[in-house]
Amino acid sequence: QKEVEQDPGPLSVPEGAIVSLNCTYSNSAFQYFMWYRQYSRKGPELLMYTYSSGNKEDGRFTAQVDKSSKYISLFIRDSQPSDSATYLCANIKAAGNKLTFGGGTRVLVKP
Amino acid sequence: EPEVTQTPSHQVTQMGQEVILRCVPISNHLYFYWYRQILGQKVEFLVSFYNNEISEKSEIFDDQFSVERPDGSNFTLKIRSTKLEDSAMYFCASIRDRGEEKLFFGSGTQLSVL
Repeated sequence: QKEVEQDPGPLSVPEGAIVSLNCTYSNSAFQYFMWYRQYSRKGPELLMYTYSSGNKEDGRFTAQVDKSSKYISLFIRDSQPSDSATYLCANIKAAGNKLTFGGGTRVLVKP
Repeated sequence: EPEVTQTPSHQVTQMGQEVILRCVPISNHLYFYWYRQILGQKVEFLVSFYNNEISEKSEIFDDQFSVERPDGSNFTLKIRSTKLEDSAMYFCASIRDRGEEKLFFGSGTQLSVL
């Protein structure tokens, strides 16, 4: 079983819609949960991180973590064409440790 | 915002040749990493480096790979004898302190082994 899994997509939505992204993980040792955005030919860029179950909101982005079911979500409200990118779920066991990435979900926001 | 700089952006080499990928981490950062991403696959951890020594390395990081911080600013990844399967995007990353969450990634070096 892969440690971190994501649906590869592509997920296509109209501008202004809510984008809903999901990620599952298998290793209970993961304590920190992150979402990265990666544009084509660029390095990953951290969007959000959390280390507890529950919701965390930052502007148009909301991250949800359910440790009991090992399920992580990212919601993007009022999506823009500039949100078109690949979104990577990543987990770590402790701060500063190596990141374990999912395969990413490609998102296309159409004007 | 400060950024991690990687050079070159694209490196083409022949199988069996040595390559050195270069990175300039953010100036006050203390922990450095190399990750790679084979086309269409996940971003994978290679190695972490702190206080002039390797902190952790993955199974991928075998004897053909080495890292070095030759001076106060550069962080390099050397592949001694490249294989076709080494073709990938290589990302350097740095973090100021072990307790920090935000890992800063560079834009990557696309390595093509022919």
